[in-house]
Amino acid sequence: DAGITQSPRHKVTETGTPVTLRCHQTENHRYMYWYRQDPGHGLRLIHYSYGVKDTDKGEVSDGYSVSRSKTEDFLLTLESATSSQTSVYFCAISEPRGANVLTFGAGSRLTVL
Amino acid sequence: GNSVTQMEGPVTLSEEAFLTINCTYTATGYPSLFWYVQYPGEGLQLLLKATKADDKGSNKGFEATYRKETTSFHLEKGSVQVSDSAVYFCALSDSSEGGADGLTFGKGTHLIIQP
Repeated sequence: DAGITQSPRHKVTETGTPVTLRCHQTENHRYMYWYRQDPGHGLRLIHYSYGVKDTDKGEVSDGYSVSRSKTEDFLLTLESATSSQTSVYFCAISEPRGANVLTFGAGSRLTVL
Repeated sequence: GNSVTQMEGPVTLSEEAFLTINCTYTATGYPSLFWYVQYPGEGLQLLLKATKADDKGSNKGFEATYRKETTSFHLEKGSVQVSDSAVYFCALSDSSEGGADGLTFGKGTHLIIQP
């Protein structure tokens, strides 16, 4: 997966618990993204980062926060998980040049009971 | 805002059939256009791209032409194989300088190829 590792790959948790998903890259790419994938919705952008400590909200950011303290790591946190956040979460990376080609991780499947 | 529309399927074809998956878009600027493919249990992989009008992207026998006049980027393949079974996503980026705000995706088309 081009040097992108997501962890955990699978997680089952209960409503109201905090959850953190980690994305780690070895490509030294500047931009990083978190998307969620749901049937009937395709992929929707949650948050993105354009550098260390520089992040911004995407289309569906409510209930999520992110942090990027190092170039290689981008964390997605659900402070209090809800059943509507059951989804498959994908991390992606890109570089700020030319067409915005994203490279994706393998995904993290989260189930909130 | 930006949007991408594509047929959701599932689209079921026999092996060696001709494939077309339609994709149309709405964008404020001059977007780059992409097709990504997702095999079961995996992340998305870039299949092909086109960055300006009349460009043709191609890869693995798949082709798509950037048609500005019809705001379309239809995916075609002359003879599909069982191994092409996957979900295909059309996407756009309206930042010509590699902006950080990511891609806008269609909802995906599930393609099933029967032997």
